[in-house]
Amino acid sequence: DTEVTQTPKHLVMGMTNKKSLKCEQHMGHRAMYWYKQKAKKPPELMFVYSYEKLSINESVPSRFSPECPNSSLLNLHLHALQPEDSALYLCASSRSWTGGYSEQYFGPGTRLTVT
Amino acid sequence: AQSVTQLGSHVSVSEGALVLLRCNYSSSVPPYLFWYVQYPNQGLQLLLKYTSAATLVKGINGFEAEFKKSETSFHLTKPSAHMSDAAEYFCAVSGGNAGNMLTFGGGTRLMVKP
Repeated sequence: DTEVTQTPKHLVMGMTNKKSLKCEQHMGHRAMYWYKQKAKKPPELMFVYSYEKLSINESVPSRFSPECPNSSLLNLHLHALQPEDSALYLCASSRSWTGGYSEQYFGPGTRLTVT
Repeated sequence: AQSVTQLGSHVSVSEGALVLLRCNYSSSVPPYLFWYVQYPNQGLQLLLKYTSAATLVKGINGFEAEFKKSETSFHLTKPSAHMSDAAEYFCAVSGGNAGNMLTFGGGTRLMVKP
């Protein structure tokens, strides 16, 4: 099973709301990622977790707060977002973070609209 | 630093024609190279990957890619396009100090005409 699941599929939130995105994988992967993708652009890396510890934060604004409760779950907590944060948010996982040869498996994404 | 250039943001082919999507990379270390496909409103799906075992890599859905070190290229081909191949295709590189961090090309939208 090479599936990464994400919920919800769509999310509309106001600028004062607090919401969370959820990602889950059961492949035993030890690295998990959050990406942001704007229309007609490649995904941009936001965060990397390796063995449940935050390894990479690509200078993401603090209104995005990641959390890795266990090796299978990854959350992205959202608060006080701006309209320009509207995008497709993708989660991915891979066997490891080091080495470079571990392919990443992507989830279907959450389409976020900030009003 | 690593980089990827995909020549042609849009490629249009007729159904049954050869598909050729171009990818050139820059890397100071032996690269690992990947092709992903993205259908509308979906995530990315891995088509194939190069990890130095064989220069000609076969992937899913009839796609293949050839690693050419001298040309720093990893072009994606398929002998005969199907309507269902219409999608966005991303080439990506990883490796070296970047670990598993993927550096993506800008993407190529493949359109298939009946």
